[in-house]
Amino acid sequence: NAGVMQNPRHLVRRRGQEARLRCSPMKGHSHVYWYRQLPEEGLKFMVYLQKENIIDESGMPKERFSAEFPKEGPSILRIQQVVRGDSAAYFCASSGTAGNTEAFFGQGTRLTVV
Amino acid sequence: LAKTTQPISMDSYEGQEVNITCSHNNIATNDYITWYQQFPSQGPRFIIQGYKTKVTNEVASLFIPADRKSSTLSLPRVSLSDTAVYYCLVGVTTGTASKLTFGTGTRLQVML
Repeated sequence: NAGVMQNPRHLVRRRGQEARLRCSPMKGHSHVYWYRQLPEEGLKFMVYLQKENIIDESGMPKERFSAEFPKEGPSILRIQQVVRGDSAAYFCASSGTAGNTEAFFGQGTRLTVV
Repeated sequence: LAKTTQPISMDSYEGQEVNITCSHNNIATNDYITWYQQFPSQGPRFIIQGYKTKVTNEVASLFIPADRKSSTLSLPRVSLSDTAVYYCLVGVTTGTASKLTFGTGTRLQVML
């Protein structure tokens, strides 16, 4: 049973481009969480999704950022018109049960904006 | 929202027992307490989870007093490979919605 898969592992984008980060949760998991981590800092919650629904997006910036978790396929975190401040590691986690804090994390996508 | 507070950093020597305490004064009745470990450039890894009293697995022990306002992660006989950041996490449940909220973490440095 594969763990949480994120791709790409590393992504370089020029300012103004779009970044798409993908996350395939563990088999059987329907809850996905996205986090952002700046160098030497802790993980900051961004968004919590279930299949086809955004449950909590209180950590998402109001502009340029969006997330989805379609019925089929991976969850996507999309950042439009990237700026240098978006450079960070983005981690996805999945869990099988709402309220269960035992979540499994992927290896992350390290976004660098040049 | 149950906020957690942990020491920013701790140092230890190989072979010692390390105890990291986390405060969570506003923990809700249904919240569990979970600890994660994170190595550089990797995603956090689940260590242990508990609700009350004591939980032990092959990696660590978790002590939770009766009032549940704090918890202590205990790592027996640490080695250099235990050098990492340790996060205390308290589950937040609002109806069917849950949000995993991480604190600042404790950076553990294990030395020879």
